[in-house]
Amino acid sequence: RKEVEQDPGPFNVPEGATVAFNCTYSNSASQSFFWYRQDCRKEPKLLMSVYSSGNEDGRFTAQLNRASQYISLLIRDSKLSDSATYLCVVGGRDDKIIFGKGTRLHILP
Amino acid sequence: NAGVTQTPKFRILKIGQSMTLQCTQDMNHNYMYWYRQDPGMGLKLIYYSVGAGITDKGEVPNGYNVSRSTTEDFPLRLELAAPSQTSVYFCASSYRNEGWKFFGPGTRLTVL
Repeated sequence: RKEVEQDPGPFNVPEGATVAFNCTYSNSASQSFFWYRQDCRKEPKLLMSVYSSGNEDGRFTAQLNRASQYISLLIRDSKLSDSATYLCVVGGRDDKIIFGKGTRLHILP
Repeated sequence: NAGVTQTPKFRILKIGQSMTLQCTQDMNHNYMYWYRQDPGMGLKLIYYSVGAGITDKGEVPNGYNVSRSTTEDFPLRLELAAPSQTSVYFCASSYRNEGWKFFGPGTRLTVL
């Protein structure tokens, strides 16, 4: 199993729909989890941290499933501006931070 | 705060040339990193630093060198540029290693 694995997509979703994607990780000792957003030809920017109890920020909900070793990102009422690549980031106790290759999301008008 | 700044934004090098990619942060972060991102690929860690005077190799350090003489600056040096080093280079900084990172805008490097 790859250290951090994401479906590369693209996910083509109509505006206003709900979309979700997962990210699996191989190191059961991983301690920190994040979702970053990267626009085309731009730097990654933190979207949200992922907490054990799950967390929500507006239209975005992140969840962690330690038993199955995956994190998820749910986007509700998707906007055209949500079109981007979403990077899953996992950190372990050994200070190793691993970036996934990203999932491309296209919101269609 | 300017955050993390990188220069240059773009550069074309010939094989065998050398150059330094500059990175500066004004957030007083101890941790700084250099990543490269190839098309369709994830970020690969080149080098990182946990504080001034301390640097360490990441996943893909070959062909690169770094120094960290101050908290603010973390330059990346390419001594003998090769086509395989064509990539987008991102510098990042963070307060803690396991915490989230601020990224600079990137340097697009092409080696011909």
